[in-house]
Formats: sequence, structure tokens, C-alpha cells
Amino acid sequence: GENVEQHPSTLSVQEGDSAVIKCTYSDSASNYFPWYKQELGKRPQLIIDIRSNVGEKKDQRIAVTLNKTAKHFSLHITETQPEDSAVYFCAASIGYGGSQGNLIFGKGTKLSVKP
Amino acid sequence: KAGVTQTPRYLIKTRGQQVTLSCSPISGHRSVSWYQQTPGQGLQFLFEYFSETQRNKGNFPGRFSGRQFSNSRSEMNVSTLELGDSALYLCASSGLTRDEQYFGPGTRLTVT
Repeated sequence: GENVEQHPSTLSVQEGDSAVIKCTYSDSASNYFPWYKQELGKRPQLIIDIRSNVGEKKDQRIAVTLNKTAKHFSLHITETQPEDSAVYFCAASIGYGGSQGNLIFGKGTKLSVKP
Repeated sequence: KAGVTQTPRYLIKTRGQQVTLSCSPISGHRSVSWYQQTPGQGLQFLFEYFSETQRNKGNFPGRFSGRQFSNSRSEMNVSTLELGDSALYLCASSGLTRDEQYFGPGTRLTVT
């Protein structure tokens, strides 16, 4: 089955710096890759996602890139702020015509942004 | 539009008991997925229901079961509870594409 590896497990950056989190997946049939942010004691929140027919997607300070050949995708956060501090999860799923309810998650990256 | 709701939010049970958790999806969403979150194993997929049918199942023992009702609300049941079942149980709902999943606040289950 699908396996998702996420690195690093912890990441500490200074406010204003960029942060990059990387994930690799094993099943080349995966075609949907969301990123979730989970603050302490709260639910995971979808922050950005990308489908396999797109190489890059950007939303303000957040961007995701996908390399299907290498089977990896990355989250980029620019101009980090203290409120970006959280655990970030990547995930992958195989969509049958764009529909699948089975997300395989990475182990998470704890991002700390120091003021 | 109201978000995904889960009840109860906290639950304490003893080994051997059973428990039922409830999830109400976002209005109009017909797919509900369940996940178990623990510090050691992270987020793991349990099962997905779509239009009252179980469409996918994760690698969990048969003690974990679920169902979905005609109004898309879903329940999951864990029988013969074990200490290792202590976890945050999250449900997520999604709409027609069933890709973008929105999580509820979770039910924190503690088994003593």
C-alpha cells in the first residue's frame, strides 16, 4: 500500500525566514496531495493541496510543489510568522476519477517560528 | 455553513468496554472518513463511508466498525476496548469530489 515519508520531524526558523517541508510517497497511482496544519489541541486544517496534473500551486505565503517522477512533494512557507508555529502533515491519496476517502499521512513536522 | 461536529468530545472508558462515537458532516457532504491519531502512530485511516456504504477500510482489527445513516451522519464503534485504543478519533467529511477533507474537532478517548 501507499507509504508517505515526511522530513524533517522538527524545524525551527527565525521569524521572516522561509520553511520547507518535504514528503515522498511510494504509490505512483497517488494523485491528490493535501497539506494540513494542526495547532496544539486543535483539529487538522487543510491549508493547501495539489493534484497530480499540476506541478506547483501557490496561495499567498504558502506554496506546494510536486515532482511526479521523483514521487515527492514539498511545502514552502515564506516570510514565516509566529502564528505559523504548528505541526504540519502531508498526505497522499489515490483518486478514482478524483474521489477517494483514504488519506495516507506523513508523521508530521513540528514547525517553530521564533520571534 | 456549520463545520464538522463530533460527540462526545471526551470519553473515559475501561478495558473491555465498548464505545460509540458520532460525527455529523458539513451539510451537503456525503462522505465521512474516520482517523485515529496517536503520538506514536500519527494519523491513521480507519474507514470511509459514502452514501451509507463503507467504501474503504484501513488496517485495523474487526473491533473497529462504523456505519452511516441516510442523513450522512456517521458513527464508529470500538468493542472490547484495549489500552492501546486511547487516542484522538477524528472524522472528516468531503463533498462531491471526496478529495478535500474537513476535519471535526475529534473525540479524545482514554481507556484505563
